[in-house]
Amino acid sequence: GENVEQHPSTLSVQEGDSAVIKCTYSDSASNYFPWYKQELGKRPQLIIDIRSNVGEKKDQRIAVTLNKTAKHFSLHITETQPEDSAVYFCAATPGEKTSYDKVIFGPGTSLSVIP
Amino acid sequence: EAQVTQNPRYLITVTGKKLTVTCSQNMNHEYMSWYRQDPGLGLRQIYYSMNVEVTDKGDVPEGYKVSRKEKRNFPLILESPSPNQTSLYFCASSLSGTLNTEAFFGQGTRLTVV
Repeated sequence: GENVEQHPSTLSVQEGDSAVIKCTYSDSASNYFPWYKQELGKRPQLIIDIRSNVGEKKDQRIAVTLNKTAKHFSLHITETQPEDSAVYFCAATPGEKTSYDKVIFGPGTSLSVIP
Repeated sequence: EAQVTQNPRYLITVTGKKLTVTCSQNMNHEYMSWYRQDPGLGLRQIYYSMNVEVTDKGDVPEGYKVSRKEKRNFPLILESPSPNQTSLYFCASSLSGTLNTEAFFGQGTRLTVV
């Protein structure tokens, strides 16, 4: 089945610097890759997603890149701000017909932005 | 307001005492699922439902049951809770599982089994 790894598990950056979180997946047929942000004590919320027919997607300070050959996708946050501090989860949805409706999450990255 | 509502938010129970965590969504979503969140393990899918009366196991279904008798509700049942089921639980719904769309999460239920 699908397996999603995520690195690093913790990340500290100075305010204004960039942060990059990388995920790898095992099922080459996976076709949807969302990123969720979970602030302390709150529910996960979608911040950006990308589908397998697109290599890069950007939304203001956040971007996601997908490398299907290497089976990895990355979240890039530029000009980080203290409110970016949270746990970030990547996810992948397998492409197998029998399990295309499952969602597999990575273990999460705890990002701290130091003012 | 479009939302996913879970109840209760916090629950402390004893081993073996059956409990139900309710989940309701008002967005007419087809797809609903339950996750547990444990430190270092991220979100792991317990059960999911593609539509009314259609449910299937996720990655960690042991010790849990679900039902989907109405489109809006997807309760999680622990017939005989054990301490290893102490966790933070999230219900989520999506417009459609097949289209791989955004998941909307409930507020979470923190369960402690003693």
